[in-house]
Amino acid sequence: DIQMTQSPSSLSASVGDRVTITCRASQNINSYLNWYQQKPGKAPKLLIYAASSLQSGVPSRFSGSGSGTDFTLTISSLQPEDFATYYCQQSYSTLYTFGQGTKLEIK
Amino acid sequence: EVQLVESGGGLVKPGGSLRLSCAASGFTFSSYSMNWVRQAPGKGLEWVSSISSRSNYIFYADSVEGRFTISRDNAKNSLYLQMDSLTAEDTAVYYCARVDDRRDILSGDYVGVFDYWGQGTLVTVSS
Repeated sequence: DIQMTQSPSSLSASVGDRVTITCRASQNINSYLNWYQQKPGKAPKLLIYAASSLQSGVPSRFSGSGSGTDFTLTISSLQPEDFATYYCQQSYSTLYTFGQGTKLEIK
Repeated sequence: EVQLVESGGGLVKPGGSLRLSCAASGFTFSSYSMNWVRQAPGKGLEWVSSISSRSNYIFYADSVEGRFTISRDNAKNSLYLQMDSLTAEDTAVYYCARVDDRRDILSGDYVGVFDYWGQGTLVTVSS
């Protein structure tokens, strides 16, 4: 199975900060990488697909990059509603796997 | 409007069984692959199982292989998860999620994404 490793596991930041979350795959997954946001008690929400494509309705302060094994999610200027947990997911294999999550907290 | 509504969760004893359902509406259910994803209390997301639109391709995570069975009824717009031999480690919120294929503009490949999720149903395995 393909393992997905996110870093950091948690992150403290302030409104207006630029933050970057990384995700590494255990093998080449080309651009088959998606990012999700989850708030407490809610279902995950798709943010970025195919490594860098923005899901409809998602603010442009979110961006994704990378291919192969190394990927990043960047939030250019944190807003209060962005404090949540973020997960990467590979869809290169239909044995889909998620990263362990990155919890973004208010500093 | 796309809606996915899970049901069937509850408290079950170790070794017991439970059947989850996911009722879909607002889209052509028979055209999409579907998945179950779970989240243990305070933990991350874990993909559980996937079924193709016509049930000809089915996959399971190693952690549930041989104990869980995914199925669907396209006539009833419903997805199911039969869970047997449950253990405390199966305690989680179970989500159903639709898979949509999105085109990667750079490579031209189609990438599967979980674009719609249900609200989840809680399964608690405890004596």
